[in-house]
Amino acid sequence: QQQVKQSPQSLIVQKGGISIINCAYENTAFDYFPWYQQFPGKGPALLIAIRPDVSEKKEGRFTISFNKSAKQFSLHIMDSQPGDSATYFCAASPRAGAGGTSYGKLTFGQGTILTVHP
Amino acid sequence: GAVVSQHPSWVICKSGTSVKIECRSLDFQATTMFWYRQFPKQSLMLMATSNEGSKATYEQGVEKDKFLINHASLTLSTLTVTSAHPEDSSFYICSARIGQGSFEQYFGPGTRLTVT
Repeated sequence: QQQVKQSPQSLIVQKGGISIINCAYENTAFDYFPWYQQFPGKGPALLIAIRPDVSEKKEGRFTISFNKSAKQFSLHIMDSQPGDSATYFCAASPRAGAGGTSYGKLTFGQGTILTVHP
Repeated sequence: GAVVSQHPSWVICKSGTSVKIECRSLDFQATTMFWYRQFPKQSLMLMATSNEGSKATYEQGVEKDKFLINHASLTLSTLTVTSAHPEDSSFYICSARIGQGSFEQYFGPGTRLTVT
């Protein structure tokens, strides 16, 4: 119930292409869906996040698409660049009041290693 | 804004000794901080939730007597790995949440612990 399933495990994209990473969840109490970017040996950095009341959010080259009925959300990276090569994690967190002490706790997907070839 | 630091960035210790890792929120107050561990090429696993002025809440399977967490101020939480063993070698990452009503978590740069 608490899992977030992420795919693909790895992704290779040419420079300028679109990178698409998908996540699915089961827990309907999840109310916040962030994406994180992590470079080797570094902590994750928040990229973009969405709440279930909108179906899409765009920030620069990064877009989250959210399908509440399917319990799926995805990250699209437009015009992918070699500097985008990193591991990407989706995550989900339950809303306040849901599960008591679970509020604010992030459940992470398994991660996607993105390689953008020049 | 929203910068979280960790110290040290890496540490090597002998089996049986204890190691303390600090997590600081530099430009905001964090009533709640979280501690994660990450093994190579794996995802982040939440270890515990640290609330300022109260006892930490540990996730199932995490030994609270081995991983001591103290959140003494609104900008500092510490994780002490007691009687460390080689299997405790991992990447430890903290995060801090801005305010009670916020979902956003900002992560520190991580601490690489190697136990020999």
